[in-house]
Amino acid sequence: TQLLEQSPQFLSIQEGENLTVYCNSSSVFSSLQWYRQEPGEGPVLLVTVVTGGEVKKLKRLTFQFGDARKDSSLHITAAQTGDTGLYLCAGNTGNQFYFGTGTSLTVIP
Amino acid sequence: DAGITQSPRHKVTETGTPVTLRCHQTENHRYMYWYRQDPGHGLRLIHYSYGVKDTDKGEVSDGYSVSRSKTEDFLLTLESATSSQTSVYFCAISESRVIQYFGAGTRLSVL
Repeated sequence: TQLLEQSPQFLSIQEGENLTVYCNSSSVFSSLQWYRQEPGEGPVLLVTVVTGGEVKKLKRLTFQFGDARKDSSLHITAAQTGDTGLYLCAGNTGNQFYFGTGTSLTVIP
Repeated sequence: DAGITQSPRHKVTETGTPVTLRCHQTENHRYMYWYRQDPGHGLRLIHYSYGVKDTDKGEVSDGYSVSRSKTEDFLLTLESATSSQTSVYFCAISESRVIQYFGAGTRLSVL
C-alpha cells in the first residue's frame, strides 16, 4: 500500500534554478514531514507541518501543507549543488508513518 | 545527532539462516521503528514499538519478528532469511510521533 505519491521521481536541474516537489495522497494525515537522505545514510528531518494550509520556510526551502492535510509541496529557490539528495515525504496517522517513494534531485554546477 | 546505533552495519547471509539486527538508542524515546528501503518503494514500516514489550505490525511485517525488552533496544529478527529480504534496514526513534530520528542503516544481503 503506497499512501503517498511523490512527483517527480527524478529531477536534474542547473544550479540557480527553482524547483517544486509534490507529495500527494487520498488519506488525511495528522502531520507531514520532509526528509533528505544522502547515499549510505539515514534520512534527516527537514521540517514537520501539522496544520492544514501551513507554510514553513527554511532558508531557500519552502514547505506547504495542503488545506485538507492530504498533500504537501517542497519548493527550493535558487538550487545549489549541496541540495543534491533524495527527498522523502512522510505522513503519520496514529502510531504509524507512511513514506513516499522519494524524489532524487541532482543539481548540476 | 540523535543517539541511535544500528548493528551490524553490513551483513551477508545465506537463505534459510536466522538473522537479528539491533537498534540501540540513548535518547530514552518511547517509540521505535524498523523500516526497509528498496528501490521504487521508498521506506516501508516493518514493525514498531510504543513501549517496552509493546509492539505492533507495520505494512510489511511478514517474515519478521521484533522484541523490545528494554527501552533502549529494539531487535528485528528474520527467522529464516529469504532473498526477498535483501534490503537496507533503518531503525528510527520518536518521542512525539511527529518527529523521527533515523539510524545509519544496515545493509543486508541474503544469498
